[in-house]
Amino acid sequence: KNQVEQSPQSLIILEGKNCTLQCNYTVSPFSNLRWYKQDTGRGPVSLTIMTFSENTKSNGRYTATLDADTKQSSLHITASQLSDSASYICVVSGGPGTYKYIFGTGTRLKVLA
Amino acid sequence: GAVVSQHPSWVICKSGTSVKIECRSLDFQATTMFWYRQFPKQSLMLMATSNEGSKATYEQGVEKDKFLINHASLTLSTLTVTSAHPEDSSFYICSAREAGDWTDTQYFGPGTRLTVL
Repeated sequence: KNQVEQSPQSLIILEGKNCTLQCNYTVSPFSNLRWYKQDTGRGPVSLTIMTFSENTKSNGRYTATLDADTKQSSLHITASQLSDSASYICVVSGGPGTYKYIFGTGTRLKVLA
Repeated sequence: GAVVSQHPSWVICKSGTSVKIECRSLDFQATTMFWYRQFPKQSLMLMATSNEGSKATYEQGVEKDKFLINHASLTLSTLTVTSAHPEDSSFYICSAREAGDWTDTQYFGPGTRLTVL
């Protein structure tokens, strides 16, 4: 069964600290993996996208990694800011011919001053 | 670029009434649009996939007669919740794929909060 699992479910950190969110998937075939940020009451906004051959992708203070062998990904947030408080969703896309996204359950991050 | 809008952003209606939600791709043509529903503290759940000019494909468990989807143009898809009930209260999000895009990138709208009293 195609699944995407994220951990932790929720996380609280102090402003300025770093954190790492985890994503494990069992989707096969695999096309790409995306990380989205979703503010409360808003639609998801894309942070990074990685294909099978990519190991690391950065977008400002966000750095995503992908290990296609172990089917694991992580999203590292550096020097967190209050505005980073949101849900972070890992999304995996299957192989050619399917355009459906398989969503993880998300990690709710709260950054405190 | 690749902006998707939704209207309204929030709506409150009485039980038994119908509500229409619009999803527009503002600066690109979208051959495929997706409709999602999201309950509090849960992730997005795909309801249906619509292709311009053809009938929508609904996910298992989604009532097609209750959630009417129309994708009449390359920039507009609508979701109508018919005879809404309190259990239909949710956050509805649409996304769109750009015509000619060989990737599977979906651009998400900002969502519509539906509250049924």
